[in-house]
Amino acid sequence: EPEVTQTPSHQVTQMGQEVILRCVPISNHLYFYWYRQILGQKVEFLVSFYNNEISEKSEIFDDQFSVERPDGSNFTLKIRSTKLEDSAMYFCASGIGGLYNEQFFGPGTRLTVL
Amino acid sequence: GENVEQHPSTLSVQEGDSAVIKCTYSDSASNYFPWYKQELGKGPQLIIDIRSNVGEKKDQRIAVTLNKTAKHFSLHITETQPEDSAVYFCAAIDYKLSFGAGTTVTVRA
Repeated sequence: EPEVTQTPSHQVTQMGQEVILRCVPISNHLYFYWYRQILGQKVEFLVSFYNNEISEKSEIFDDQFSVERPDGSNFTLKIRSTKLEDSAMYFCASGIGGLYNEQFFGPGTRLTVL
Repeated sequence: GENVEQHPSTLSVQEGDSAVIKCTYSDSASNYFPWYKQELGKGPQLIIDIRSNVGEKKDQRIAVTLNKTAKHFSLHITETQPEDSAVYFCAAIDYKLSFGAGTTVTVRA
């Protein structure tokens, strides 16, 4: 059964460093999402992406964040200058339809900022 | 924006008993309510969803109910089994997926 995959599973970085979190969505999906979950808190929407552009973003998704689909298979989240409060689990999701259709989640990348 | 509240935060049930998780939402414009199950080391997985034009939906041992007037929706799991042990999230959609805080369900054998 096709799955969303994410790499790495755990990323440790120093404050101020750039990180890139990688996702491979399910191959025929057209809609892509990033979420994050700070330990002990809710899963929060960051951004949605369709047709090679951002369709929605939350207030969390500020200028430090960017997303890219550099080729036909990868979907990346870049954090330019990490802060301590960026430490969280980051989930990628993809869907064949839009918002009112199932989103398939990857296993997540745990980001630790020291 | 949408605010989803979920209760209880933890739930322990005897195998074979029922489990009920309740959620409320704030935005009356929300019209799609999925439920996700998250097992250890995995991402959330959709288990059932309900749209605002329906009051109840059932899929084998899982059922969801929706009261749009009261802005309540609930997940019911009957005849619980050990493999039902997981974290369950409710969610609501306005322009984005807004999650509840999650309920950790433990099914005791």
